[in-house]
Amino acid sequence: AQTVTQSQPEMSVQEAETVTLSCTYDTSESDYYLFWYKQPPSRQMILVIRQEAYKQQNATENRFSVNFQKAAKSFSLKISDSQLGDAAMYFCAFLLLSGSARQLTFGSGTQLTVLP
Amino acid sequence: EADIYQTPRYLVIGTGKKITLECSQTMGHDKMYWYQQDPGMELHLIHYSYGVNSTEKGDLSSESTVSRIRTEHFPLTLESARPSHTSQYLCASSPSWLQGQPQHFGDGTRLSIL
Repeated sequence: AQTVTQSQPEMSVQEAETVTLSCTYDTSESDYYLFWYKQPPSRQMILVIRQEAYKQQNATENRFSVNFQKAAKSFSLKISDSQLGDAAMYFCAFLLLSGSARQLTFGSGTQLTVLP
Repeated sequence: EADIYQTPRYLVIGTGKKITLECSQTMGHDKMYWYQQDPGMELHLIHYSYGVNSTEKGDLSSESTVSRIRTEHFPLTLESARPSHTSQYLCASSPSWLQGQPQHFGDGTRLSIL
Protein backbone atom coordinates (compact mmCIF):
# COMPACT_ATOMS: atom_id res chain seq x y z
CA ALA A 1 0.00 0.00 0.00
CA GLN A 2 1.09 3.52 -0.73
CA THR A 3 1.37 6.16 1.97
CA VAL A 4 1.79 9.92 1.73
CA THR A 5 3.16 11.94 4.64
CA GLN A 6 2.98 15.68 5.13
CA SER A 7 4.90 16.42 8.31
CA GLN A 8 3.95 20.10 8.58
CA PRO A 9 0.34 20.51 9.75
CA GLU A 10 0.68 24.31 9.60
CA MET A 11 2.98 26.75 7.88
CA SER A 12 3.02 30.51 7.56
CA VAL A 13 4.76 32.86 5.17
CA GLN A 14 5.03 36.59 4.76
CA GLU A 15 3.41 38.02 1.66
CA ALA A 16 5.89 38.15 -1.27
CA GLU A 17 8.21 35.65 0.43
CA THR A 18 8.91 32.04 -0.52
CA VAL A 19 7.69 28.98 1.33
CA THR A 20 8.32 25.26 0.85
CA LEU A 21 5.83 22.57 1.82
CA SER A 22 7.16 19.07 2.42
CA CYS A 23 5.79 15.75 1.25
CA THR A 24 7.23 12.26 1.38
CA TYR A 25 5.69 9.06 0.11
CA ASP A 26 6.31 5.37 0.30
CA THR A 27 5.93 2.97 -2.60
CA SER A 28 7.74 0.06 -4.16
CA GLU A 29 6.43 0.96 -7.60
CA SER A 30 8.28 3.00 -10.21
CA ASP A 31 5.47 4.31 -12.40
CA TYR A 32 3.26 6.90 -10.76
CA TYR A 33 2.19 10.54 -10.64
CA LEU A 34 2.41 13.03 -7.82
CA PHE A 35 0.15 16.02 -7.33
CA TRP A 36 -0.27 19.04 -5.14
CA TYR A 37 -3.86 20.15 -4.56
CA LYS A 38 -5.02 23.38 -2.94
CA GLN A 39 -8.22 23.64 -0.92
CA PRO A 40 -9.25 27.17 0.11
CA PRO A 41 -11.67 27.42 3.04
CA SER A 42 -15.02 25.89 2.17
CA ARG A 43 -14.14 25.65 -1.50
CA GLN A 44 -13.19 23.17 -4.16
CA MET A 45 -10.01 21.19 -4.35
CA ILE A 46 -7.91 22.73 -7.10
CA LEU A 47 -4.98 21.08 -8.84
CA VAL A 48 -1.83 23.17 -8.40
CA ILE A 49 0.85 21.09 -10.09
CA ARG A 50 1.66 17.53 -11.08
CA GLN A 51 4.81 15.50 -11.67
CA GLU A 52 5.30 12.30 -13.65
CA ALA A 53 7.68 9.95 -11.84
CA TYR A 54 9.56 9.06 -15.03
CA LYS A 55 10.48 12.70 -15.65
CA GLN A 56 13.59 13.95 -13.94
CA GLN A 57 12.82 17.59 -14.64
CA ASN A 58 10.92 19.30 -11.86
CA ALA A 59 7.47 20.60 -12.80
CA THR A 60 6.81 24.34 -12.73
CA GLU A 61 3.58 26.31 -12.96
CA ASN A 62 4.09 30.06 -12.68
CA ARG A 63 4.96 30.76 -9.03
CA PHE A 64 4.65 27.09 -8.06
CA SER A 65 7.45 24.58 -8.51
CA VAL A 66 8.34 21.21 -7.08
CA ASN A 67 11.53 19.56 -5.92
CA PHE A 68 11.07 15.92 -6.87
CA GLN A 69 13.65 13.55 -5.42
CA LYS A 70 12.62 10.09 -6.59
CA ALA A 71 15.30 8.15 -4.75
CA ALA A 72 14.45 9.91 -1.51
CA LYS A 73 10.71 9.68 -2.27
CA SER A 74 10.31 13.36 -1.60
CA PHE A 75 8.04 15.81 -3.40
CA SER A 76 8.11 19.32 -1.94
CA LEU A 77 6.18 22.33 -3.21
CA LYS A 78 7.78 25.75 -3.42
CA ILE A 79 5.59 28.82 -3.62
CA SER A 80 7.44 31.95 -4.69
CA ASP A 81 6.23 35.54 -4.22
CA SER A 82 3.44 34.34 -1.91
CA GLN A 83 0.10 36.07 -2.25
CA LEU A 84 -2.83 36.36 0.16
CA GLY A 85 -4.86 34.17 -2.18
CA ASP A 86 -2.39 31.33 -1.68
CA ALA A 87 -3.72 30.81 1.84
CA ALA A 88 -5.32 27.37 1.87
CA MET A 89 -4.92 23.76 2.89
CA TYR A 90 -2.45 22.04 0.58
CA PHE A 91 -2.62 18.32 -0.06
CA CYS A 92 0.06 16.15 -1.58
CA ALA A 93 -1.33 13.17 -3.50
CA PHE A 94 0.00 10.02 -5.12
CA LEU A 95 -1.47 8.13 -8.08
CA LEU A 96 -0.26 4.65 -8.90
CA LEU A 97 -0.52 3.62 -12.55
CA SER A 98 -0.54 -0.13 -12.06
CA GLY A 99 -2.92 -2.42 -10.25
CA SER A 100 -6.67 -2.66 -10.35
CA ALA A 101 -7.61 0.44 -8.36
CA ARG A 102 -6.40 3.79 -9.60
CA GLN A 103 -7.25 6.45 -7.12
CA LEU A 104 -5.36 9.19 -5.40
CA THR A 105 -3.80 8.65 -1.99
CA PHE A 106 -3.76 11.94 -0.11
CA GLY A 107 -1.54 13.22 2.65
CA SER A 108 -2.98 14.79 5.78
CA GLY A 109 -2.55 18.33 4.47
CA THR A 110 -0.62 21.48 5.39
CA GLN A 111 -2.54 24.59 6.37
CA LEU A 112 -0.74 27.59 4.83
CA THR A 113 -1.29 31.06 6.25
CA VAL A 114 -0.07 34.09 4.32
CA LEU A 115 0.68 37.10 6.49
CA PRO A 116 0.19 40.60 5.03
CA GLU B 1 -16.74 27.73 -13.10
CA ALA B 2 -17.54 24.32 -11.66
CA ASP B 3 -18.04 21.39 -14.01
CA ILE B 4 -18.87 19.05 -11.18
CA TYR B 5 -21.80 19.84 -8.95
CA GLN B 6 -22.72 18.64 -5.51
CA THR B 7 -25.98 19.23 -3.69
CA PRO B 8 -26.78 20.12 -1.04
CA ARG B 9 -23.79 22.22 0.07
CA TYR B 10 -24.86 21.92 3.70
CA LEU B 11 -27.23 19.51 5.41
CA VAL B 12 -28.21 19.28 9.07
CA ILE B 13 -30.53 16.39 9.79
CA GLY B 14 -31.61 14.10 12.59
CA THR B 15 -30.45 10.59 13.35
CA GLY B 16 -32.13 7.76 11.49
CA LYS B 17 -33.02 9.71 8.36
CA LYS B 18 -32.25 8.46 4.86
CA ILE B 19 -29.93 10.86 3.03
CA THR B 20 -28.85 11.09 -0.59
CA LEU B 21 -25.95 13.33 -1.57
CA GLU B 22 -26.04 14.27 -5.22
CA CYS B 23 -23.06 14.57 -7.55
CA SER B 24 -23.21 15.38 -11.24
CA GLN B 25 -20.52 16.22 -13.77
CA THR B 26 -20.88 17.64 -17.25
CA MET B 27 -17.46 16.65 -18.58
CA GLY B 28 -18.34 13.15 -19.73
CA HIS B 29 -15.80 11.62 -17.34
CA ASP B 30 -15.96 7.86 -16.90
CA LYS B 31 -14.30 7.83 -13.47
CA MET B 32 -16.04 9.23 -10.42
CA TYR B 33 -15.12 9.17 -6.74
CA TRP B 34 -16.48 9.95 -3.29
CA TYR B 35 -14.14 11.11 -0.52
CA GLN B 36 -14.83 11.71 3.16
CA GLN B 37 -12.93 14.48 4.88
CA ASP B 38 -13.11 15.48 8.52
CA PRO B 39 -12.26 19.17 9.22
CA GLY B 40 -8.58 19.86 8.61
CA MET B 41 -7.84 16.22 7.92
CA GLU B 42 -6.85 14.16 4.91
CA LEU B 43 -9.24 12.82 2.32
CA HIS B 44 -10.26 9.19 2.45
CA LEU B 45 -11.70 7.39 -0.55
CA ILE B 46 -14.98 5.67 0.29
CA HIS B 47 -16.38 4.78 -3.17
CA TYR B 48 -15.35 4.92 -6.81
CA SER B 49 -16.77 4.05 -10.19
CA TYR B 50 -15.09 3.44 -13.52
CA GLY B 51 -18.26 3.73 -15.55
CA VAL B 52 -21.96 3.01 -15.74
CA ASN B 53 -23.03 0.08 -13.54
CA SER B 54 -19.52 -0.09 -12.02
CA THR B 55 -19.02 0.74 -8.33
CA GLU B 56 -16.32 -0.27 -5.86
CA LYS B 57 -15.61 0.41 -2.21
CA GLY B 58 -12.59 2.53 -1.38
CA ASP B 59 -9.95 2.37 1.30
CA LEU B 60 -12.12 3.71 4.12
CA SER B 61 -14.99 1.54 5.24
CA SER B 62 -18.28 3.36 4.91
CA GLU B 63 -21.90 2.50 5.63
CA SER B 64 -22.95 4.48 2.59
CA THR B 65 -23.85 3.07 -0.82
CA VAL B 66 -23.53 4.50 -4.32
CA SER B 67 -25.04 3.92 -7.73
CA ARG B 68 -23.96 4.77 -11.27
CA ILE B 69 -26.89 4.46 -13.62
CA ARG B 70 -25.81 7.36 -15.81
CA THR B 71 -22.31 8.55 -16.67
CA GLU B 72 -22.90 12.04 -15.31
CA HIS B 73 -24.55 11.09 -12.03
CA PHE B 74 -23.02 9.40 -8.97
CA PRO B 75 -25.24 9.76 -5.88
CA LEU B 76 -24.24 8.60 -2.41
CA THR B 77 -26.87 7.30 -0.01
CA LEU B 78 -26.95 6.78 3.74
CA GLU B 79 -29.93 4.59 4.66
CA SER B 80 -29.98 5.59 8.33
CA ALA B 81 -27.84 8.55 9.30
CA ARG B 82 -25.89 8.55 12.58
CA PRO B 83 -23.80 11.24 14.31
CA SER B 84 -20.66 9.36 13.28
CA HIS B 85 -21.52 10.20 9.67
CA THR B 86 -20.96 13.90 10.34
CA SER B 87 -18.23 14.97 7.93
CA GLN B 88 -17.56 16.65 4.62
CA TYR B 89 -18.16 14.55 1.51
CA LEU B 90 -16.29 15.44 -1.68
CA CYS B 91 -17.16 14.11 -5.11
CA ALA B 92 -14.57 13.99 -7.87
CA SER B 93 -14.26 12.83 -11.46
CA SER B 94 -11.47 12.13 -13.93
CA PRO B 95 -11.39 11.28 -17.63
CA SER B 96 -8.69 8.61 -17.69
CA TRP B 97 -6.28 6.82 -15.40
CA LEU B 98 -3.77 5.83 -18.03
CA GLN B 99 -2.30 9.30 -18.41
CA GLY B 100 -2.51 10.19 -14.73
CA GLN B 101 -5.26 12.69 -15.32
CA PRO B 102 -5.97 14.74 -12.21
CA GLN B 103 -9.31 14.59 -10.56
CA HIS B 104 -11.80 17.45 -10.68
CA PHE B 105 -13.56 18.08 -7.38
CA GLY B 106 -16.96 19.43 -6.48
CA ASP B 107 -17.52 22.00 -3.74
CA GLY B 108 -18.40 19.30 -1.22
CA THR B 109 -21.34 18.63 1.07
CA ARG B 110 -20.97 19.39 4.76
CA LEU B 111 -23.16 16.90 6.58
CA SER B 112 -24.12 17.22 10.24
CA ILE B 113 -26.16 14.51 11.92
CA LEU B 114 -27.80 15.52 15.18
